[in-house]
Amino acid sequence: DTAVSQTPKYLVTQMGNDKSIKCEQNLGHDTMYWYKQDSKKFLKIMFSYNNKELIINETVPNRFSPKSPDKAHLNLHINSLELGDSAVYFCASSPKGLAGLRTQFFGPGTRLTVL
Amino acid sequence: AQTVTQSQPEMSVQEAETVTLSCTYDTSESDYYLFWYKQPPSRQMILVIRQEAYKQQNATENRFSVNFQKAAKSFSLKISDSQLGDAAMYFCALMGRETSGSRLTFGEGTQLTVNP
Repeated sequence: DTAVSQTPKYLVTQMGNDKSIKCEQNLGHDTMYWYKQDSKKFLKIMFSYNNKELIINETVPNRFSPKSPDKAHLNLHINSLELGDSAVYFCASSPKGLAGLRTQFFGPGTRLTVL
Repeated sequence: AQTVTQSQPEMSVQEAETVTLSCTYDTSESDYYLFWYKQPPSRQMILVIRQEAYKQQNATENRFSVNFQKAAKSFSLKISDSQLGDAAMYFCALMGRETSGSRLTFGEGTQLTVNP
C-alpha cells in the first residue's frame, strides 16, 4: 500500500483554469505539507497542516488554497492558473512529536504544466 | 530564518569510487535535524540519512555517511563504493526543532552522475 499518494501524477491545463491536486496518507500522521519544486529543482514549503489546522502558510499567492477535510487528506486547489505555476508539487506527512522531527514521508509528486 | 547551501550543482564519480557532497547551513535554533534526500529520475524523494544536531557521532547508513561539523555549520555526505543506482539529485535539508510546523528547508541540490 502506498503511504502517501497524490492524484493526479500529471496535470496539463490551460492558463486561467482552476485545478485541484489531492493527497492522502495512510500512515496515521498528524501533520501534512505541500512543497513546490520549480524548474530549477528548488524545493520550498508552501503549506503545513496539523490535524486539519493550518500551521504554515508561506508567501504563496492566494490563488492557492489548501483544504484538509480530515487529517489523512490535504488537497491543493489552484485558481486562475498561470504559466509560473508549472512545477512539481509534493505532498508529505510526518507523525507528531519528536518522531515527526526525524523524518517526512513524501508522495510521488504531481507535475503540473500550464500552457 | 534557516538557509541551506549546496555549492556543487553537479558532481561525478566513477563506479566503486567514493564521492563527497558538500552542504552548509545557517539557523538560529539550538536544536535541529539535518537530512540528505535523494531524488532519482522517478522524482520520488527518498530519505538517505539523518543527523540530530545534539549528537556528536556522525550518522552512517551502509555506504552513506556524513561529516557533521556543528561549529562550522557543515554537513557533507560521503558515498562509498558508488553504484550506478546512486545517480540522482541529492538535497541537503534542515529542520529546526522549534520551527513552527516542522518545515524542511532545502538546499539547491547536487546532481550526481555515476560513470561505469
